[in-house]
Amino acid sequence: GAVVSQHPSRVICKSGTSVKIECRSLDFQATTMFWYRQFPKKSLMLMATSNEGSKATYEQGVEKDKFLINHASLTLSTLTVTSAHPEDSSFYICSARDRRLSGNTIYFGEGSWLTVV
Amino acid sequence: GIQVEQSPPDLILQEGANSTLRCNFSDSVNNLQWFHQNPWGQLINLFYIPSGTKQNGRLSATTVATERYSLLYISSSQTTDSGVYFCAVDFSGAGSYQLTFGKGTKLSVIP
Repeated sequence: GAVVSQHPSRVICKSGTSVKIECRSLDFQATTMFWYRQFPKKSLMLMATSNEGSKATYEQGVEKDKFLINHASLTLSTLTVTSAHPEDSSFYICSARDRRLSGNTIYFGEGSWLTVV
Repeated sequence: GIQVEQSPPDLILQEGANSTLRCNFSDSVNNLQWFHQNPWGQLINLFYIPSGTKQNGRLSATTVATERYSLLYISSSQTTDSGVYFCAVDFSGAGSYQLTFGKGTKLSVIP
């Protein structure tokens, strides 16, 4: 099946700094990727849709300037949490659709645990 | 608004038992998937099932789109089945692939 990889899997950063999370589709091209956020013991909430070669589409309530998304190639999308604060600590997970497969199946990366201290 | 409701929220099973997890959704769907989230956070895709029935080993799923629900069956449960099971739905008629997740069912299988 399709493979989506995220890096880093865990990151700790100091308040006020920025941290970048990468999402790669390893064996297929993804014109669209998605970024989700999950708080402990909660469900996944869609943050934004990352479109290759154009601006990301953010969900209501998600700060565009805080969560910068760049989809520079057909296999890579990045999420940068700028000026991080402890309340940004969360599990961030990306997904992408493999168009080669029937059924429009969405595959998820392994996720990235962010802790802001 | 658009809703995805899962039940039960928590489930404890003895190893070897069978279980049924339910997902109700509030509108017609373009895509429905079941996921298993392991203790490390990774989401494992179990089924893509906007309608009909599928089986994969001890797991099977059925979606009745006209009645807006889906069921995930786990037979002969094992401790490795523990984790959170999510139902996720794409409500967009255009197939945006943006998934709306239910709150999940936390399954604990005890030896």
